[in-house]
Parts: sequence; C-alpha cells; structure tokens
Amino acid sequence: GAGVSQSPSNKVTEKGKDVELRCDPISGHTALYWYRQRLGQGLEFLIYFQGNSAPDKSGLPSDRFSAERTGESVSTLTIQRTQQEDSAVYLCASSLDSGGRNEQFFGPGTRLTVL
Amino acid sequence: SQQGEEDPQALSIQEGENATMNCSYKTSINNLQWYRQNSGRGLVHLILIRSNEREKHSGRLRVTLDTSKKSSSLLITASRAADTASYFCATEGNTPLVFGKGTRLSVIA
Repeated sequence: GAGVSQSPSNKVTEKGKDVELRCDPISGHTALYWYRQRLGQGLEFLIYFQGNSAPDKSGLPSDRFSAERTGESVSTLTIQRTQQEDSAVYLCASSLDSGGRNEQFFGPGTRLTVL
Repeated sequence: SQQGEEDPQALSIQEGENATMNCSYKTSINNLQWYRQNSGRGLVHLILIRSNEREKHSGRLRVTLDTSKKSSSLLITASRAADTASYFCATEGNTPLVFGKGTRLSVIA
C-alpha cells in the first residue's frame, strides 16, 4: 500500500439515495483531506482530519455531507439524499502533517454520478 | 479567501517550447505549492516554495514567488507531449491548502 487508495472508483446512483465513499490514506499520515472537483473546475475543499483533533468541516456544502475517520486510518465520506449537483469526482489526500506544510498525496478519486 | 487563481486558464504550445503559468493569491501565506493533474483524477505534487524563498528549481520546472505581488509562476522548459495536463497552484496559510481552478496545458507534438 504505497499510495492513497479510494473506493469505489466509480459510483452511479439515483437521486435521493445515500452513498458512502472510502479513503485509505498512506500509513503514518496524520492528516487526511476530502475535496470535490466538478467537471472542468478546480478542487473544492470539503473537510480535513488531523490526528485526534476535531475535524475542520468548514467546506462541507450542506448537512447532507458528513465524514468520519477512525484514528489515523480509513475515512468515509457520506452523502445523504444525493442530488444531481453532487455529481463530481471526490478526491482524498493525506499528508504527514496538517496545514499544508507537507505535500499532499492524492488518491485516484471516486467519480460520482447522480442520475 | 486566499484562493490561488491561475492564469491563463488554457495554454497550447508546441513541443520543445517553454510554458509559463501564473498564480495570484489574496492573503499572506506560509508556502505555495504546484500540482499536476492528468485526466481529471488524482493530483501529483510538483514543487513547494516557502514564503521566504524567491525561486526554486526541480528538473525542468522553475517556480518563482513574489510575496509583495502575491503571485507565483511555474515555468516548464523544453516541454514534452507528456507534460499535457492541468496544473494547479495551492496556497497554505492558516487554513488547509486552497486550490485554484488550474491551467490546462496542451503540448502538441
């Protein structure tokens, strides 16, 4: 497990369904980030976790979005009652430290399509 | 917001030419990073320049930072078709990295 992995790589769902996206960070990385990228757009910060500190949820677009992380390992991003506007690539990244003082290593992303 | 904004939005050059992309931001930063993205999936870190540095090199990449103008530039020399990708700057201050919308570079063989 040399890099950040995400699953599924692609997810197609119907409007109104809940989806759960998974991220496995690099072992030993204390910081974990979730981003959303709409087609042709830049990265939109959603949430980040740093060790056992309270996560920074300031980027979550609505209360339909939530994320959890178990210790310094796996994280799941949950989107409830999905809407078509949620269609995007969801990227996860991890780093040794928070605040961007170290480079972020990105996973390949999950492409979510809401029909 | 300290969001970086890349300029131009798209750039098309011939193989062998140099490519220059610019990034502007709004607030004080600790460092600025450049990333590359192929095919709309994961990003790859290219280079980090700290606020007290003015220029940094890595292979064919040269990054400059002007904190007085709140701007940075990424120069790719002797471009190759494989350099075709989107390039993002990301600024780090008191919040997690904030990414710009990117420059789409096309290198034509």
